[in-house]
Amino acid sequence: DAKTTQPNSMESNEEEPVHLPCNHSTISGTDYIHWYRQLPSQGPEYVIHGLTSNVNNRMASLAIAEDRKSSTLILHRATLRDAAVYYCILRDMNDMRFGAGTRLTVKP
Amino acid sequence: DAMVIQNPRYQVTQFGKPVTLSCSQTLNHNVMYWYQQKSSQAPKLLFHYYDKDFNNEADTPDNFQSRRPNTSFCFLDIRSPGLGDTAMYLCATSRLQGTYGYTFGSGTRLTVV
Repeated sequence: DAKTTQPNSMESNEEEPVHLPCNHSTISGTDYIHWYRQLPSQGPEYVIHGLTSNVNNRMASLAIAEDRKSSTLILHRATLRDAAVYYCILRDMNDMRFGAGTRLTVKP
Repeated sequence: DAMVIQNPRYQVTQFGKPVTLSCSQTLNHNVMYWYQQKSSQAPKLLFHYYDKDFNNEADTPDNFQSRRPNTSFCFLDIRSPGLGDTAMYLCATSRLQGTYGYTFGSGTRLTVV
């Protein structure tokens, strides 16, 4: 299985941008890069996903390296509600396996 | 709103007493998944159904079983819960293509005493 590597934790100040990195050097050509976040005592929540091109939605932006071996989730202005564990996951056809994720702390 | 609903939200069961957790969806997704998440750990995939085809992870204990009587419902049965099965159990749904995201329920927090 293709795996991802993320920093265990990151800190950000409120209203500043946050760049959450993810390495996936063994990614295959058909793997989509998905990002989810999990707030305390809740199920994971979809954030964004992409294949090759950078992607934007109302929650975040996803920047994908040209060789696809790494990606970065960008929160343009962090709020206290963005404090969560962020998971970078490679999804193939059948299933999705979580790595350890990055715990994001947002300071007021 | 279309969603994934898990019941109950909290469940306490006795050691060795069978327990069933339920998941329903209104998204008409053909794939349903069960994950186990222990405290401070990432969710771990137990098994998934593609329509009625059941796919078990190699390291999922035999104590865990699942049923999917129709597209909308999926059940997780734990035949003889042990103390180590205390965890959050998450249900998720998706379509069978990498381009689709997963929709998760809020989870059932199971405590085995």
